[in-house]
Amino acid sequence: EADIYQTPRYLVIGTGKKITLECSQTMGHDKMYWYQQDPGMELHLIHYSYGVNSTEKGDLSSESTVSRIRTEHFPLTLESARPSHTSQYLCASSRRGGASTDTQYFGPGTRLTVL
Amino acid sequence: AQSVTQPDIHITVSEGASLELRCNYSYGATPYLFWYVQSPGQGLQLLLKYFSGDTLVQGIKGFEAEFKRSQSSFNLRKPSVHWSDAAEYFCAVGNAGGTSYGKLTFGQGTILTVHP
Repeated sequence: EADIYQTPRYLVIGTGKKITLECSQTMGHDKMYWYQQDPGMELHLIHYSYGVNSTEKGDLSSESTVSRIRTEHFPLTLESARPSHTSQYLCASSRRGGASTDTQYFGPGTRLTVL
Repeated sequence: AQSVTQPDIHITVSEGASLELRCNYSYGATPYLFWYVQSPGQGLQLLLKYFSGDTLVQGIKGFEAEFKRSQSSFNLRKPSVHWSDAAEYFCAVGNAGGTSYGKLTFGQGTILTVHP
């Protein structure tokens, strides 16, 4: 089982604040992902990275940005939080190369509430 | 484009009863298929996966799933449900190659309630 960590687990913040959601994994995985999940809904991919200095936008448009300076770290930043950003954010990682490495392992998630 | 449909939004079963959660997918080639479980306020835990080979795959917690290419289905089953199985279950299909390699598309999820 992969070790992937997200902090904070819960965040309540006011409109206009800048926030960074942290995601770290200790498995040496090359690929990392951010998903957005509204209550009772499916997960939507908002960002992914196939390695250091590689970032791509996902299927769901998001005002957030990401960076990948180190293999193990994939933070997500919102420059100016709005109530529409209220959601759960899930980070995942997987190894690169070969069919069996497409298995994504998920962190516990960050539940963000913007007032 | 690939897609996943979980027809049942909410299923209720009695403890000890059998369970089947349905999943249908749309994908142009041989898919990679996954079932994940999510407890309230938690991330997703992998239950099982199918890449190739035997179409009946065994997972953790006594779950199994069967890949049926002719029906584009990957239904999840458990012979006897425990109260601790109450959670939300997500089916997902992954890309085997191309520019979307490794990306997953999730279904809307099925919420499982277990009555004592």
